[in-house]
Amino acid sequence: GQNIDQPTEMTATEGAIVQINCTYQTSGFNGLFWYQQHAGEAPTFLSYNVLDGLEEKGRFSSFLSRSKGYSYLLLKELQMKDSASYLCAVRDWSNDYKLSFGAGTTVTVRA
Amino acid sequence: GAVVSQHPSRVICKSGTSVKIECRSLDFQATTMFWYRQFPKQSLMLMATSNEGSKATYEQGVEKDKFLINHASLTLSTLTVTSAHPEDSSFYICSARRDGAYEQYFGPGTRLTVT
Repeated sequence: GQNIDQPTEMTATEGAIVQINCTYQTSGFNGLFWYQQHAGEAPTFLSYNVLDGLEEKGRFSSFLSRSKGYSYLLLKELQMKDSASYLCAVRDWSNDYKLSFGAGTTVTVRA
Repeated sequence: GAVVSQHPSRVICKSGTSVKIECRSLDFQATTMFWYRQFPKQSLMLMATSNEGSKATYEQGVEKDKFLINHASLTLSTLTVTSAHPEDSSFYICSARRDGAYEQYFGPGTRLTVT
């Protein structure tokens, strides 16, 4: 199975930077995804990492270290609309390529 | 883009009745669809994987006779919650994946409340 850990809550100020860490254990790693989920809505795709390193996409960046079982999502120039839950999900080829989700990190952006 | 719709977005039903939720991929063909359930302040839990034209694969602990899944076409999967009970009240989310693709596209979710 997969053990996916991420912090429960984080708070930051508008314009600041926040880093959300995610650690995982999996038998057949085949990619790590980050999703954003606003309350009462479905998750929306943010990023995908399958190789080590940093993927940058505008204000959001995601990093992966497969040897450490570690990823982070970096949110820069925080805006109020970034207040949401951020879900780390791991795909496992030994589990039919299904996604397993972490419990999510609720980010609150304050003015 | 890849758009997935769900219908209804909200449903309230009485205990003992059945509810059907539809998941459609609007602009692509989805060989695989997934059904998740999310309780408040918890993460998404995969219930079952649905492949077009074949029986769904259920995760451990999910009753296949209670949660009936049909994936009759490449753009439509349905989840029927049979004999619903208050503990089935949850947020049900589907996702769809193109053949050979890695990304799952999520529907907007269905809020089910069983009274």
